[in-house]
Amino acid sequence: SQQGEEDPQALSIQEGENATMNCSYKTSINNLQWYRQNSGRGLVHLILIRSNEREKHSGRLRVTLDTSKKSSSLLITASRAADTASYFCATGRDSNYQLIWGAGTKLIIKP
Amino acid sequence: KAGVTQTPRYLIKTRGQQVTLSCSPISGHRSVSWYQQTPGQGLQFLFEYFSETQRNKGNFPGRFSGRQFSNSRSEMNVSTLELGDSALYLCASSGQGAPGELFFGEGSRLTVL
Repeated sequence: SQQGEEDPQALSIQEGENATMNCSYKTSINNLQWYRQNSGRGLVHLILIRSNEREKHSGRLRVTLDTSKKSSSLLITASRAADTASYFCATGRDSNYQLIWGAGTKLIIKP
Repeated sequence: KAGVTQTPRYLIKTRGQQVTLSCSPISGHRSVSWYQQTPGQGLQFLFEYFSETQRNKGNFPGRFSGRQFSNSRSEMNVSTLELGDSALYLCASSGQGAPGELFFGEGSRLTVL
């Protein structure tokens, strides 16, 4: 079953602009992860944020986590054409080794 | 360090046939998960193996099965193929016991005619 819900489903912006994607989930979590998938390829891990963390950075990526609202956001700054991909959030719980995935946000960066 | 390797990358089968997909995880990783990805259903969890034991199973019919060998390589099998089984099948390995970072292969694209 899908726990995470990404918002928006699709996003199209100009190169150089910032892109923000959101993820909401329903149950308590141990960690939340973001992955990128280029068309028809495997997923690539971007960043993991634990439930006791509020913000995390990795290069041009910034992830925030609000456990009270059960939501997370992924910000990509200064977007590039190579950032065009689908982005998925996934949540993990201590009691279960299975990650629960959202439906993904399709991001298109226009040159 | 070699990544996760999935074979075959592409295959075409007809309804009623069976298929076996293979996944070689990153060296040292003992957890292997399988996912089915379709445009309509998104990423659906099939099952996860750790040290040759199935720890978790998704909500798929019994036609979908898997196993893991002592060297952590894993296979999944789909019997009596249906048109709806056409999908990208992704394998991911992890070195952690808890749900940590997953390393994905490029997937096996199955088309059922």
